[in-house]
Amino acid sequence: DQQVKQNSPSLSVQEGRISILNCDYTNSMFDYFLWYKKYPAEGPTFLISISSIKDKNEDGRFTVFLNKSAKHLSLHIVPSQPGDSAVYFCAAREAGGTSYGKLTFGQGTILTVHP
Amino acid sequence: GAGVSQTPSNKVTEKGKYVELRCDPISGHTALYWYRQSLGQGPEFLIYFQGTGAADDSGLPNDRFFAVRPEGSVSTLKIQRTERGDSAVYLCASSLNLGAEQFFGPGTRLTVL
Repeated sequence: DQQVKQNSPSLSVQEGRISILNCDYTNSMFDYFLWYKKYPAEGPTFLISISSIKDKNEDGRFTVFLNKSAKHLSLHIVPSQPGDSAVYFCAAREAGGTSYGKLTFGQGTILTVHP
Repeated sequence: GAGVSQTPSNKVTEKGKYVELRCDPISGHTALYWYRQSLGQGPEFLIYFQGTGAADDSGLPNDRFFAVRPEGSVSTLKIQRTERGDSAVYLCASSLNLGAEQFFGPGTRLTVL
């Protein structure tokens, strides 16, 4: 069962516009959410995170929104730049216990930003 | 400073063979994680270590997979009797402590013919 889902395999946007990447989850025990960015032949790189006690976290051009009731989060990139072109993964972590260190990832969304 | 390194970067083997994949975490990081990424999928958790001990190995698919971290630093993922379905990119990550940001290595691409 896929506990974290990214239903859009790809997204194409124009440079300067907003990119919105979406993620849904099913596990109510998740309390911390992260976005990772991955370039080809490299490992994922942490981008931004949000705790379940918040509904928004902002870092420069990147903002993550969390809607707990809908079990949905989104990543907004404004303005989008060609260098943002990469695969973006949503990930989630449970609150505690032995699963605390384990990240559960979505399938990823390929973002392409056109100049 | 040096990031997480993984060797080899690519490994091609034949079905039924044994392979070892190595991970060198960032110096001082106490937690180490292994994930597997199949084509078109996100990373899938396998196992993580806190120090020398495996704190959660619930993601290991079966008993052909085993991982060790004998001195609390370098880790080796061992796969016995490899199968074609084991072909994937194996990612290692480390963090300063449990729950801190995980830094990923570039991965080892394993191909089982």
